Amino acid sequence: DAGITQSPRHKVTETGTPVTLRCHQTENHRYMYWYRQDPGHGLRLIHYSYGVKDTDKGEVSDGYSVSRSKTEDFLLTLESATSSQTSVYFCAISVGPQDTEAFFGQGTRLTVV
Amino acid sequence: QQQVKQSPQSLIVQKGGISIINCAYENTAFDYFPWYQQFPGKGPALLIAIRPDVSEKKEGRFTISFNKSAKQFSLHIMDSQPGDSATYFCAASTSGTYKYIFGTGTRLKVLA
Repeated sequence: DAGITQSPRHKVTETGTPVTLRCHQTENHRYMYWYRQDPGHGLRLIHYSYGVKDTDKGEVSDGYSVSRSKTEDFLLTLESATSSQTSVYFCAISVGPQDTEAFFGQGTRLTVV
Repeated sequence: QQQVKQSPQSLIVQKGGISIINCAYENTAFDYFPWYQQFPGKGPALLIAIRPDVSEKKEGRFTISFNKSAKQFSLHIMDSQPGDSATYFCAASTSGTYKYIFGTGTRLKVLA
């Protein structure tokens, strides 16, 4: 079974500080994603990756950067956190015979004060 | 721009009743339509999915109805149970893009 570990699970940080969230998968799935979940907005794609060092922007990428130096790890960085980035962040991978299913991690609750 | 519109935002149903959640899309290139179920504190999990070559798919108490001409699809939960209380998301994607567009979610509460 696919496994995703997100770390940290909870974080409180101050405005203006950099923050990095980590997503680790236990299998060699090619596609990885970062979403944010906010009330009234559902799940919105921030960035995604289709291979090592291959990434692209989603619909809400401003203020975020990502890196994927190894197949199993996908990092999301908030260069200078703002209160509008307070959210729950989910990492996902594509699984299934044709990589059609999005499999989600447990989420990271980030609060920017 | 929201490409998948989901309604209602919240839904309260009596135990044993039918829960119906609707989604509408604009992009005719979408060819995969999954529904996800999310419990508090957890990530969304795939519940059931459909492709546009069929009009209905049923798995246990959960059914997807798909209307290609109207660009709409819906989730029906038959004999709703308190354990079904969760947030439900519809989504859509296009083969080869590996990106999923999600609806805004429906919070379902089933009263015992």
